Amino acid sequence: KAGVTQTPRYLIKTRGQQVTLSCSPISGHRSVSWYQQTPGQGLQFLFEYFSETQRNKGNFPGRFSGRQFSNSRSEMNVSTLELGDSALYLCASSARHLTLIYEQYFGPGTRLTVT
Amino acid sequence: AQKVTQAQTEISVVEKEDVTLDCVYETRDTTYYLFWYKQPPSGELVFLIRRNSFDEQNEISGRYSWNFQKSTSSFNFTITASQVVDSAVYFCALSAMANFGNEKLTFGTGTRLTIIP
Repeated sequence: KAGVTQTPRYLIKTRGQQVTLSCSPISGHRSVSWYQQTPGQGLQFLFEYFSETQRNKGNFPGRFSGRQFSNSRSEMNVSTLELGDSALYLCASSARHLTLIYEQYFGPGTRLTVT
Repeated sequence: AQKVTQAQTEISVVEKEDVTLDCVYETRDTTYYLFWYKQPPSGELVFLIRRNSFDEQNEISGRYSWNFQKSTSSFNFTITASQVVDSAVYFCALSAMANFGNEKLTFGTGTRLTIIP
């Protein structure tokens, strides 16, 4: 089975611009979660999508948004980029079930640098 | 609120030594899951183990073993006969069932393990 894929792997943007990151989950997985990893804040949960609906959201400003498509692929968008948005953005998928928690499998991440 | 504490920021051991990575968690939920992930220099988080709060049995997988103790809210990870390939950052994480199917993972700050050849 192919793993979680993320594109692009590296991105350099300027302050004020916007960016869209893409994530394709493992085949059959309907849950996609996004995390931000920085040296200062560590790994922080952004949001989770399941069946095209956002089910859970972390403590991030509204500039961070996402969506999920009918094929479970997900995109994350950051508008009006700030220097502090420079981070590794990780996408994870899982075989979500309403009454069980399954392990999440992570993609290689997108390294975003804001200058 | 949930919290995961990994007090060991960095550990270095000589190859073939055993090493234990500590993880202490906090949650008010009675049903929860604990995880360990490995992040090698390539950056991708690799899933190692999932354990639910009702199963306190210790688990062994090759050179890896995990000790889950609800009484002390700890979920420690031991690598036996360490190898250079074990060098990575290791994260402990928690996911609670307060909302059914809550997939949010709360991570610890990670422990950077360096195995010296």
